[in-house]
Amino acid sequence: EAGVAQSPRYKIIEKRQSVAFWCNPISGHATLYWYQQILGQGPKLLIQFQNNGVVDDSQLPKDRFSAERLKGVDSTLKIQPAKLEDSAVYLCASSLRLKGQNSYEQYFGPGTRLTVT
Amino acid sequence: AQSVTQPDIHITVSEGASLELRCNYSYGATPYLFWYVQSPGQGLQLLLKYFSGDTLVQGIKGFEAEFKRSQSSFNLRKPSVHWSDAAEYFCAVGAEFHGGYQKVTFGIGTKLQVIP
Repeated sequence: EAGVAQSPRYKIIEKRQSVAFWCNPISGHATLYWYQQILGQGPKLLIQFQNNGVVDDSQLPKDRFSAERLKGVDSTLKIQPAKLEDSAVYLCASSLRLKGQNSYEQYFGPGTRLTVT
Repeated sequence: AQSVTQPDIHITVSEGASLELRCNYSYGATPYLFWYVQSPGQGLQLLLKYFSGDTLVQGIKGFEAEFKRSQSSFNLRKPSVHWSDAAEYFCAVGAEFHGGYQKVTFGIGTKLQVIP
């Protein structure tokens, strides 16, 4: 079974530029998450999709961050314009809740390391 | 809102020694609890999880964790550490919301160093 795919793995941009990250979840996983992990901290949820609908984006800085999950499969996260404090690893994860089970374990991709200079 | 506290930011143990990583959570109902491991440059990998039932949970790579409701704790243990266990470990708590979706909150992590 293929894991969660993310690209690019690394990205360096200047402040005020824009950037986009792509994620392809495990096939059949209805739930997709984007996390921001700043150096020395745990992952912080930015946005959570259930199929192609947003169920939680309370911590997404909507003035500069946007995300979409067209057709309920892969997803893109965009930052425009980027700030220095956006330097972090952006992790994508997916999960499958099996009917009748409380299986919320998340499978993570390798992440995209963003450096804003 | 739920929260997780990992009081030890950095721990150093000798190879072959036992290990215990502490985790305390705050949540009003029965929590879903997880431990993840992250090696440098990698995503997070699930070690083990607790939803209900037996409070002593076995995971991969020889790890186990014990849920203690009275102490709001979910400490991770391993009887004998290997050099390959050097990584960062994250405790997480999940809460189920109306509509059936779950939100997971992660701790800040504990970085484990293993010395020969």
